[in-house]
Amino acid sequence: DQQVKQNSPSLSVQEGRISILNCDYTNSMFDYFLWYKKYPAEGPTFLISISSIKDKNEDGRFTVFLNKSAKHLSLHIVPSQPGDSAVYFCAARRSQGNLIFGKGTKLSVKP
Amino acid sequence: DAGITQSPRHKVTETGTPVTLRCHQTENHRYMYWYRQDPGHGLRLIHYSYGVKDTDKGEVSDGYSVSRSKTEDFLLTLESATSSQTSVYFCAISELGGRANYGYTFGSGTRLTVV
Repeated sequence: DQQVKQNSPSLSVQEGRISILNCDYTNSMFDYFLWYKKYPAEGPTFLISISSIKDKNEDGRFTVFLNKSAKHLSLHIVPSQPGDSAVYFCAARRSQGNLIFGKGTKLSVKP
Repeated sequence: DAGITQSPRHKVTETGTPVTLRCHQTENHRYMYWYRQDPGHGLRLIHYSYGVKDTDKGEVSDGYSVSRSKTEDFLLTLESATSSQTSVYFCAISELGGRANYGYTFGSGTRLTVV
C-alpha cells in the first residue's frame, strides 16, 4: 500500500505563474518530508525539506507547506521558470528510517 | 557534486543471465542504497547498506542481492535477469542515514534492459 502519494502524474504551468505540486501521506509516524527534482538522464537532486514540527519552509522561489491534520504537503514554485521543468518526487521518512518516495509529478513550464 | 558514480550507465542483457551493477563513492559515507525507478511506481528501495558487510532488504528485494566489502563500493546483482527487472537503477549515499535531514545524494543511474 502506498504510504506517499502524488496523485497528479503531470502539471503544466505558464512561465512566471505559480506551480503547486501536491503530496499526501498515510503514515502519521513520518517526521520528515523532502522534495527531490529529477531531470531526464540524471539522478534525483534534493530540493527542500520540512520537519513535521513545522508547517512551512521557504528557500528562494521554493516553499513547502505541511498540513499534518490532513496528512498533506505541497511544494510551491513562484515564479515558475522553464528550467523548473522536471519530475518532482515527494519523499517521507520515519525517525531514522529510509526514505519512501511517491510516484512523481512531471512539471512542464511553458515559455 | 558528491563523488558517486554508477557503472555501467547502460546495459542490455539477456533473460537468465547474471548482471552486476556497481556504485562507487568517494565521500566515505556510511549509508548506501539501491533504488529502481519505473513508470507509475516512482522510486522503490531494493537494498541498502549501513556499513561494510551490513546490508538489509528494501521493499522490492526479490531477485536481487547486494554486497559491500569496502566502504566505497556497493554492488547490486541480478542473479538471473528477468524482463520485469528492466528499469533505471539509482544508487544513493548518505552520511547519517535516517538521521540526516537533507536526504540522500543520488548517482546518475544505470539503464538496464533485459531482452
